[in-house]
Amino acid sequence: KNQVEQSPQSLIILEGKNCTLQCNYTVSPFSNLRWYKQDTGRGPVSLTIMTFSENTKSNGRYTATLDADTKQSSLHITASQLSDSASYICVVTYGNNRLAFGKGNQVVVIP
Amino acid sequence: DTEVTQTPKHLVMGMTNKKSLKCEQHMGHRAMYWYKQKAKKPPELMFVYSYEKLSINESVPSRFSPECPNSSLLNLHLHALQPEDSALYLCASSQDNWGGGTGELFFGEGSRLTVL
Repeated sequence: KNQVEQSPQSLIILEGKNCTLQCNYTVSPFSNLRWYKQDTGRGPVSLTIMTFSENTKSNGRYTATLDADTKQSSLHITASQLSDSASYICVVTYGNNRLAFGKGNQVVVIP
Repeated sequence: DTEVTQTPKHLVMGMTNKKSLKCEQHMGHRAMYWYKQKAKKPPELMFVYSYEKLSINESVPSRFSPECPNSSLLNLHLHALQPEDSALYLCASSQDNWGGGTGELFFGEGSRLTVL
C-alpha cells in the first residue's frame, strides 16, 4: 500500500474555476510535506513546503493546507488557468530524512 | 528556469550501446540524486550522493552506473539496457542530504531515454 495517497487521480476543470487536491499520508515521524507541479515531460517544480507547525501556506493562486494530526494535506488552485494543467505530486519527508512520493493528481484545465 | 541542468534532453539507444546522462548544478548543493520516472507514475529513487560519496543505491541493476566527479556534477552511465528501462530520468539536488528539515529538492528537466 502506498504510503502517500492522492485523490482524485485525475480531474478536468473549466478555466477560471477552483479545485482542491487531496494528499493523505501514513508515514511517520513526519518532517515536512511538499507539493510539486510537474508539467508533462518536465522536472517537478516545488510549489510549497509545510512543516509540522504550519496549517496554511500560499504561493500565488496555490494554497496548501496541512493537518498533521489527521495526516492530511490539500492543495487548492484558485481561478485556474490553462497553464495549471499538470501533475501535482505530494512528497512527504519522514523518519531519517526518507522521502515518500504520492502518485500525483493529474489536472487538465479546459477553456 | 531550473538551476539543475541535464543533458541530453532526449536519448535513443540500442541495447548494446553505452551512453551517459549528465547533470550539473552550481547552487553549492552537497546532495545529488537520480530518479527514474515512468509515464503517469511518481519518480522512483535510484541513487543518492552525499558530499560526492554514494550513500544510497536502491538496488538498481548494475547496467546503471552512477558517478560523481565533483560536487557539481553527477553522471549516470548506461550499458546493456533493456527496453523496459525507457523512462524519464530526473536529476535532483538539495543543500544537504535528502533535503530534510526546511530544505528542498531542486529537479532538472529530465532526460527522456528510449531503449530500442
